[in-house]
Amino acid sequence: NAGVTQTPKFRILKIGQSMTLQCTQDMNHNYMYWYRQDPGMGLKLIYYSVGAGITDKGEVPNGYNVSRSTTEDFPLRLELAAPSQTSVYFCAIQGPNTGELFFGEGSRLTVL
Amino acid sequence: KQEVTQIPAALSVPEGENLVLNCSFTDSAIYNLQWFRQDPGKGLTSLLLIQSSQREQTSGRLNASLDKSSGRSTLYIAASQPGDSATYLCAVRGAGFQKLVFGTGTRLLVSP
Repeated sequence: NAGVTQTPKFRILKIGQSMTLQCTQDMNHNYMYWYRQDPGMGLKLIYYSVGAGITDKGEVPNGYNVSRSTTEDFPLRLELAAPSQTSVYFCAIQGPNTGELFFGEGSRLTVL
Repeated sequence: KQEVTQIPAALSVPEGENLVLNCSFTDSAIYNLQWFRQDPGKGLTSLLLIQSSQREQTSGRLNASLDKSSGRSTLYIAASQPGDSATYLCAVRGAGFQKLVFGTGTRLLVSP
């Protein structure tokens, strides 16, 4: 998973709290993604970005926001945490020519 | 809408066996297909990427094939080892460089 760094690795939130999951890459790739993974449900796309200053919604964007002010960073913000947002969150970058995806180690979030 | 299915959901084999993991997809108009490995509590590690014009890719003991017309890909693992125990996911990118759609994975256990 070299190239994509996610922080924090674990976090417990109370309902209604806010937080930001950080994702940083050192590969200078334009395309970046945020996924959530729930048991037995596969990965669902939350938001993605095709370059600095450009973001777009994926399949499950409600309750989340993103920004992409630099090529390196793609933070994911939860404004009012809900139990339904308990999940493992993965950030990924995409190789420019082949479209191959490379993932970070993930951030495990629990909302109580 | 592309749907990706992986059967079986779980597989248990003794060490040394050759095995095949299956991935099916509903829309044959794909750009590429990627196989990943996920260890418990970890991120996804890219194993093999097959472009739509290719029939197979090989890396060490792993061989992935692609049959677009039948909507199928297989991941062949030769001489399985306990260290191969993990969840294997396939993901399909639609034609036109669309976003990846993931299967729910096959959980593999290789016993010594």
